[in-house]
Amino acid sequence: ETGVTQSPTHLIKTRGQQVTLRCSSQSGHNTVSWYQQALGQGPQFIFQYFREEENGRGNFPPRFSGLQFPNYSSELNVNALELDDSALYLCASSLDGYGYTFGSGTRLTVV
Amino acid sequence: SQQGEEDPQALSIQEGENATMNCSYKTSINNLQWYRQNSGRGLVHLILIRSNEREKHSGRLRVTLDTSKKSSSLLITASRAADTASYFCATVFQGAQKLVFGQGTRLTINP
Repeated sequence: ETGVTQSPTHLIKTRGQQVTLRCSSQSGHNTVSWYQQALGQGPQFIFQYFREEENGRGNFPPRFSGLQFPNYSSELNVNALELDDSALYLCASSLDGYGYTFGSGTRLTVV
Repeated sequence: SQQGEEDPQALSIQEGENATMNCSYKTSINNLQWYRQNSGRGLVHLILIRSNEREKHSGRLRVTLDTSKKSSSLLITASRAADTASYFCATVFQGAQKLVFGQGTRLTINP
């Protein structure tokens, strides 16, 4: 049984660019959530997907968007990157929203 | 705003001592979970306590929940250097299927 894998592990982008982060869910999980964690802070909920539909969203602007694929893997897309988007982005998968398993995260630096 | 607030923000103790961390939240919850994070990487699920439970144990971990005070505590007994990490409480509140994290407690175990 594989856990949650995220790619890439580190990424450096320039302000104004676009970025796509990827997440492979744990086998048997049908729900994926994304979190943003700024340095020294707790993770903040971005959005959640269940069976390819967004079913919850935190207080993030529309330039944060996502997808969930039929195999339950997921992407997080961020357009028009800002310096404050620099953070650790965490993906978590679960079965029906219970029993979360987190990936190791993608460290995004915007310069 | 984040639902869970942890106390203390930082804790430094000697190896072998017990460590206690507290978490408070604001609204009714379905369950409360504790996570560990090493060096800004992925979150590891430690223990989940449901709203109708008062205490749970897992190895050297003991979690209590007081819904009347909207608070929880995590006790780590006989601490080890490997317990050095940040610890977060996360709540799943009624009517939502997302984790809401506190700011975390940074625990340092001194040899």
